[in-house]
Amino acid sequence: DADVTQTPRNRITKTGKRIMLECSQTKGHDRMYWYRQDPGLGLRLIYYSFDVKDINKGEISDGYSVSRQAQAKFSLSLESAIPNQTALYFCATSDPGTSGVIFGEQFFGPGTRLTVL
Amino acid sequence: AQSVTQLGSHVSVSEGALVLLRCNYSSSVPPYLFWYVQYPNQGLQLLLKYTTGATLVKGINGFEAEFKKSETSFHLTKPSAHMSDAAEYFCAVSGKAGTALIFGKGTTLSVSS
Repeated sequence: DADVTQTPRNRITKTGKRIMLECSQTKGHDRMYWYRQDPGLGLRLIYYSFDVKDINKGEISDGYSVSRQAQAKFSLSLESAIPNQTALYFCATSDPGTSGVIFGEQFFGPGTRLTVL
Repeated sequence: AQSVTQLGSHVSVSEGALVLLRCNYSSSVPPYLFWYVQYPNQGLQLLLKYTTGATLVKGINGFEAEFKKSETSFHLTKPSAHMSDAAEYFCAVSGKAGTALIFGKGTTLSVSS
């Protein structure tokens, strides 16, 4: 079974609709992230959470909100979807690493392809 | 602040040829550097990472990268390309304490027979 799962995998919605993307992980990591990927732009950070009570905005948080329901679950919401939010969305997890390494590698889910018409 | 520049959005090589994907970074603190690969319709998979210690890092599938502080570079190489290496490759640097990875814009590698 996959360590990081995302639902749905594909979603088509209309402008103005509210939509939620969900992420679950079984890696036992405290840190979770949401990125969006656009062609030619790489991955850009939307929100991140270092534990259930710690949520932080990333580079492009406008138009998005998140909820950390539990250590294993981190949801991304688009309150009123717009066409330029059409993108591939990735959830990722990490732990702080060991031996003084602050940032360990991140583990990514398979992505959610969102289309806003 | 941290940033990553990947030189060349698209690289084409022949099967068996050397693969060289370029990455330069900017960081105000000692960087932690990563290369990820994304195969079509899949998520990102870690190829290799540099944290501390040896500057030549070996990863999966025969890839390696060398951290060169003087050149602020972390180029990815593979001596002999395989068709299965065709994918998009992302270089990333850790942000300052408490932030996430900063990714480059990606390089698409094409391998022809």
